[in-house]
Amino acid sequence: DAGVIQSPRHEVTEMGQEVTLRCKPISGHNSLFWYRQTMMRGLELLIYFNNNVPIDDSGMPEDRFSAKMPNASFSTLKIQPSEPRDSAVYFCASSWGGAQGHGYTFGSGTRLTVV
Amino acid sequence: KQEVTQIPAALSVPEGENLVLNCSFTDSAIYNLQWFRQDPGKGLTSLLLIQSSQREQTSGRLNASLDKSSGRSTLYIAASQPGDSATYLCAVQGGSEKLVFGKGTKLTVNP
Repeated sequence: DAGVIQSPRHEVTEMGQEVTLRCKPISGHNSLFWYRQTMMRGLELLIYFNNNVPIDDSGMPEDRFSAKMPNASFSTLKIQPSEPRDSAVYFCASSWGGAQGHGYTFGSGTRLTVV
Repeated sequence: KQEVTQIPAALSVPEGENLVLNCSFTDSAIYNLQWFRQDPGKGLTSLLLIQSSQREQTSGRLNASLDKSSGRSTLYIAASQPGDSATYLCAVQGGSEKLVFGKGTKLTVNP
């Protein structure tokens, strides 16, 4: 298994531009999570999906952020318009087993820099 | 709201030393606790997963314990090596599927 695949690995964009981050979860996993990591706040959950349905988006910072999961093998996180304070590493993770907890697998992350 | 605290924030030890990393959480109603390792500029690698009904898990030189009632977990690393240098993150999963993370302990093992 190739694991959780994220693209791009690095993204540098200008303030005001739209940014789209992509994630392919592990086949068979039914939950997908988007996390953001900064030095100040550590790892924060933005949103998670179960069976392609958004379950909890309370961590999405504001309306500029949106996420979709059109099918079991693909998800996007979009920021429009982007701002310098959005600069962070964005991780995608997937898991199976629901609340019983069978562990997460994380992707390698996308390092976003907004200038 | 669940909060996870890791102490110390940073630790530097000589090679060969045994060490303990600490994690505490405020809400004991958890399904499991997971320890991760993160190397600089990299993603997270799962080390050990302890279900709420378990007391400990072992993998090689790593041993993680869980005391759910007191809201504590420890990660024990035996005979530390320079390759163990990384940031170690503790995370708990509660009633939903969300993982709540601590801010990590940055470990440096000096040759």
